[in-house]
Amino acid sequence: DGGITQSPKYLFRKEGQNVTLSCEQNLNHDAMYWYRQDPGQGLRLIYYSQIVNDFQKGDIAEGYSVSREKKESFPLTVTSAQKNPTAFYLCASSIPGGPDNSPLHFGNGTRLTVT
Amino acid sequence: AQKITQTQPGMFVQEKEAVTLDCTYDTSDPSYGLFWYKQPSSGEMIFLIYQGSYDQQNATEGRYSLNFQKARKSANLVISASQLGDSAMYFCAMREGRSNDYKLSFGAGTTVTVRA
Repeated sequence: DGGITQSPKYLFRKEGQNVTLSCEQNLNHDAMYWYRQDPGQGLRLIYYSQIVNDFQKGDIAEGYSVSREKKESFPLTVTSAQKNPTAFYLCASSIPGGPDNSPLHFGNGTRLTVT
Repeated sequence: AQKITQTQPGMFVQEKEAVTLDCTYDTSDPSYGLFWYKQPSSGEMIFLIYQGSYDQQNATEGRYSLNFQKARKSANLVISASQLGDSAMYFCAMREGRSNDYKLSFGAGTTVTVRA
């Protein structure tokens, strides 16, 4: 079955360490996204990529970095510069230029805890 | 400015009854799309229903329907005949314009608890 795989489901890190969250999709979607979810704030866009080797900042990109070397993969690095990294991170994908009603397809998320 | 507003942090509904989740949006773009997602406690985001700004009729998908009032900029989700499995967080989201980046802006969500 096609889908988006995020690993691991839970991740624990010490403050000051960089950590990379994995996102892999086999839906053959060109576009991929990273969202952050905090309690009471809904989802906020961190980065997105429409094609390989290209990506754009979202609304809260500070303290994060991404790469898009392969169509299937869009890893997110939470750097030590991110002041409040503890959150639930969701990866998504879509077909750019598809019908207007094309939804984003989401992975199951990674819960990151930094202490 | 907040693009999507969901004013109900939490709601309780009796099993088999209907529940309406409020969503208002803010955009100056004449072309936009509105989405509702369900997020169970496990965390995955499940797409429920879509309403386009130019759609003449309110969207329906099984027990889900969308009460779209364009002039009021509201897109309320109605869940009919609630089931225990409907207990989850529900998010309203909007895609603006006809750009190809397909970004979605999300509201803060509403937690629905269905009582037996």
